[in-house]
Amino acid sequence: DSGVTQTPKHLITATGQRVTLRCSPRSGDLSVYWYQQSLDQGLQFLIQYYNGEERAKGNILERFSAQQFPDLHSELNLSSLELGDSALYFCASSASGASGAYEQYFGPGTRLTVT
Amino acid sequence: AQTVTQSQPEMSVQEAETVTLSCTYDTSESDYYLFWYKQPPSRQMILVIRQEAYKQQNATENRFSVNFQKAAKSFSLKISDSQLGDAAMYFCILSLGGGGADGLTFGKGTHLIIQP
Repeated sequence: DSGVTQTPKHLITATGQRVTLRCSPRSGDLSVYWYQQSLDQGLQFLIQYYNGEERAKGNILERFSAQQFPDLHSELNLSSLELGDSALYFCASSASGASGAYEQYFGPGTRLTVT
Repeated sequence: AQTVTQSQPEMSVQEAETVTLSCTYDTSESDYYLFWYKQPPSRQMILVIRQEAYKQQNATENRFSVNFQKAAKSFSLKISDSQLGDAAMYFCILSLGGGGADGLTFGKGTHLIIQP
């Protein structure tokens, strides 16, 4: 158990809909990262938050957005969903947001299926 | 931009034998870190080993060791005395140091099969 929790574990929704994925980092970790794992694209970095502020952006679509709340949990919002958004979405946390040296602890992921 | 290449989509090894997974990477940065993570069927991402680019000594962690060749930008993982529990997808990952982390850059993964 990494100490990172993600809800829900599974999500099935229809095209055009909007969903919210939730992540709680390990106790004491200030950084939260979101990743997408799909069959065709592999694992991709989406976005990072550090202590409530956006720190870095990767291959995140404009239809996707995220935020980190004062209690440090984070939410990833996916809107106008398309079939191609079906993937496993991971959240990870680390102690620091200022360096890539620190191990990232991954949550169990949310499996999103868009039908 | 950073890239990570794992040229072996799948590897198979007999239990108790040794196997080496290959990884090459490319970055123009001098401050970076390399990791091997494994993803078993449970889908949980688990850190196997990490290497700081500024360290010449190869990292080891029990049965796992790396061969880090900085000039060649190569970072292979050696698993000794393979066990059934080692069966997983293994990802080679590059992470930049310094201020403003950019997340991780992943290889496509190598699926490791352990034959009993």
